[in-house]
Amino acid sequence: DQQVKQNSPSLSVQEGRISILNCDYTNSMFDYFLWYKKYPAEGPTFLISISSIKDKNEDGRFTVFLNKSAKHLSLHIVPSQPGDSAVYFCAASSAGGTSYGKLTFGQGTILTVHP
Amino acid sequence: GAVVSQHPSWVICKSGTSVKIECRSLDFQATTMFWYRQFPKQSLMLMATSNEGSKATYEQGVEKDKFLINHASLTLSTLTVTSAHPEDSSFYICSASRGSGANVLTFGAGSRLTVL
Repeated sequence: DQQVKQNSPSLSVQEGRISILNCDYTNSMFDYFLWYKKYPAEGPTFLISISSIKDKNEDGRFTVFLNKSAKHLSLHIVPSQPGDSAVYFCAASSAGGTSYGKLTFGQGTILTVHP
Repeated sequence: GAVVSQHPSWVICKSGTSVKIECRSLDFQATTMFWYRQFPKQSLMLMATSNEGSKATYEQGVEKDKFLINHASLTLSTLTVTSAHPEDSSFYICSASRGSGANVLTFGAGSRLTVL
């Protein structure tokens, strides 16, 4: 039972354009969502997060949108840069202290930004 | 910044042997560490939550006797795959919590296990 899904295994965009990575979830108990970025031979690094009480969170070139009714979130990167090329994981957790560390991950989307 | 080191980064072993993977928080103390497993083209799946000084909490379907977790200090957790079989071949990754909140998790680079 895949509770967090990233249906696009890969995405290719031109440098300077917008990258939109999508994520869907099924568990209505999830109330905190995160995006991680992973380069080869490295562990995932935290990128941006959003609480379920918000519908948007912005940090520089990165914006995460949350649509609770659709159980859908997306990560927008604009403008995209070649250095953004990596695997992006969507993750979700449910409320309660250390349970924030219990993350449910999507399968990941490989983003390639072409110069 | 916070760094989590995993060792070994890759290991090949014979079927029936045991393999130990270490997860160390290098510059912070982690009362809680998490172990994940990733099969090719699949998501990271949480295996267990490791708490310093107490028994690990395993996720449903994860065999406790197969995957032994020890969190003996605030900077070290180990995962031992006992009597490894080819189906245990996978990518194992740990994360350490610097406090409350998932955005304070730091992941290791992972360990790729291949069982022949």
